[in-house]
Amino acid sequence: AQSVTQLDSQVPVFEEAPVELRCNYSSSVSVYLFWYVQYPNQGLQLLLKYLSGSTLVKSINGFEAEFNKSQTSFHLRKPSVHISDTAEYFCAVSAGGGYQKVTFGIGTKLQVIP
Amino acid sequence: NAGVTQTPKFQVLKTGQSMTLQCAQDMNHEYMSWYRQDPGMGLRLIHYSVGAGITDQGEVPNGYNVSRSTTEDFPLRLLSAAPSQTSVYFCASSYGGLNNSPLHFGNGTRLTVT
Repeated sequence: AQSVTQLDSQVPVFEEAPVELRCNYSSSVSVYLFWYVQYPNQGLQLLLKYLSGSTLVKSINGFEAEFNKSQTSFHLRKPSVHISDTAEYFCAVSAGGGYQKVTFGIGTKLQVIP
Repeated sequence: NAGVTQTPKFQVLKTGQSMTLQCAQDMNHEYMSWYRQDPGMGLRLIHYSVGAGITDQGEVPNGYNVSRSTTEDFPLRLLSAAPSQTSVYFCASSYGGLNNSPLHFGNGTRLTVT
């Protein structure tokens, strides 16, 4: 079985400050890891993903996440946030072969304060 | 390119009523799924389909029915609505459906059962 833990349900941060949203997972097999973002009244959108290769992955809007196998973590970071980054962020893990068995975390609400 | 389209956006039902949530995708994705999103619980998988004529249960299937007669459509039926089914429902699809394929989400249906 696999599980995802997002340690912070809400993270307030001032505009232009750095932010880290934490995600830890557990799985007995190799994993694929994702971060999705949900803006108000919308569905989830893929922000970035780790499938294999380089452990540092980046999105087009300045977010990055690093896969750390020893710590079973996939924390999301941004060096300088904008008001437009205010949203809920979900970490997700899928593991093993076959069809999608995706497990989502409970989400972290990022509130950027002007 | 519309992506994943869900209708209706909002619905209020009385206990015991039935209804169908519609989901259509125009990306020729083999895999389609239904999630429900509840505060503090993240997203939970209700049912999924890996192709026309093939469906299977997810984590929380009770009280819901699905069918997949075409690649494009994957309706979710509530047979006898209960207040516990008050939630936001998301349809999601992916290419191939394997664990390394990101999900594409609709904008959701907000359902209230009184």
